[in-house]
Amino acid sequence: QQPVQSPQAVILREGEDAVINCSSSKALYSVHWYRQKHGEAPVFLMILLKGGEQKGHEKISASFNEKKQQSSLYLTASQLSYSGTYFCGTASNDYKLSFGAGTTVTVRA
Amino acid sequence: DGGITQSPKYLFRKEGQNVTLSCEQNLNHDAMYWYRQDPGQGLRLIYYSQIVNDFQKGDIAEGYSVSREKKESFPLTVTSAQKNPTAFYLCASSGYTGNTEAFFGQGTRLTVV
Repeated sequence: QQPVQSPQAVILREGEDAVINCSSSKALYSVHWYRQKHGEAPVFLMILLKGGEQKGHEKISASFNEKKQQSSLYLTASQLSYSGTYFCGTASNDYKLSFGAGTTVTVRA
Repeated sequence: DGGITQSPKYLFRKEGQNVTLSCEQNLNHDAMYWYRQDPGQGLRLIYYSQIVNDFQKGDIAEGYSVSREKKESFPLTVTSAQKNPTAFYLCASSGYTGNTEAFFGQGTRLTVV
């Protein structure tokens, strides 16, 4: 079963912040975040394992609440290069790596 | 250079024909996956494999088949039973299912006419 992402789309001006949420109905082992530019393969951003850790990648960070089976991706001081579609992927004990429907982020100058 | 290769990039087939999409990786990864991407539906898991000679159905396996005879190869066959096969197909691999980064191929765009 695919995790649920929200919002579906977000439009930002350069320098603004945004949060993308991801939730699952299953107990999670890990959460993955990827970004895909149009016509390209998804590119890995970060992975969060059970334990509630938070990771960062430049001005992009994420949190994982394993109790609530939720993760959030934080885009801080967005840049034009942040535009793309963001996918969260979740893995449970069955080791299936399932992805959400994606959140399209558009950053404008 | 290590990576994951999908071929061909574009594929056209007539309705009713089976077609096989290739996926090869030289990353020495144990796990491999096939996803289908349609506009607005994200990446939907078709099949995945954790080890050679073993694979499991994903969320939309009907009309597809796979094999995993070699660690580096995970071909996907789109059969004539798949009702709407036109889509973008992505293959991925990872070191261990679930807790390591997955690497994606560049995808195959299949058009059935």
